[in-house]
Amino acid sequence: DQQVKQNSPSLSVQEGRISILNCDYTNSMFDYFLWYKKYPAEGPTFLISISSIKDKNEDGRFTVFLNKSAKHLSLHIVPSQPGDSAVYFCAAQRWGALGANDMRFGAGTRLTVKP
Amino acid sequence: EPEVTQTPSHQVTQMGQEVILRCVPISNHLYFYWYRQILGQKVEFLVSFYNNEISEKSEIFDDQFSVERPDGSNFTLKIRSTKLEDSAMYFCASSVRGLEDTQYFGPGTRLTVL
Repeated sequence: DQQVKQNSPSLSVQEGRISILNCDYTNSMFDYFLWYKKYPAEGPTFLISISSIKDKNEDGRFTVFLNKSAKHLSLHIVPSQPGDSAVYFCAAQRWGALGANDMRFGAGTRLTVKP
Repeated sequence: EPEVTQTPSHQVTQMGQEVILRCVPISNHLYFYWYRQILGQKVEFLVSFYNNEISEKSEIFDDQFSVERPDGSNFTLKIRSTKLEDSAMYFCASSVRGLEDTQYFGPGTRLTVL
């Protein structure tokens, strides 16, 4: 059961435009969401996160939006740059008394930003 | 839909003991990975494994760590002599191709070192 889904395996945008990466989850118990970026031949690195008590978190060109009622989150990159070309993973966690558990990753979306 | 599975879900051990964390990757995948997440921090890459060899490893993956594919289905992470700072969630992942391919993650094993 894929509890975190990224339905678009790839996305191509022009440099300077907005990139919107989408992610859906099925488990309403998730309360912390993260985006990771992965370049070829490297492991994923953390990009931005959001707690379920918020609906938006911004860090420079990156903004994550959370719609809990729809169980949907999205990552916006504005403006997109060629260096943003990578695979982006959405992840969801459930926090309990012992800290984070039950972390689930989406399958990833490959973003290509064309110059 | 096939999934990566990990056992146990929670492992408690004494400092200095050896632990083996087990993973069953998706059956047609050829590349395998371990990641770690210390409480309150972000997921960190440990190692990738292909064709019975380590292909990439991070600075975290020192001599106390080892990986093995002992049979056709399991992929294991061994920590020889655990330290308190090894307490973390350990995630296994697998992919058909290499690091540039989509990785599918398991649910994680929580390791607690006392």
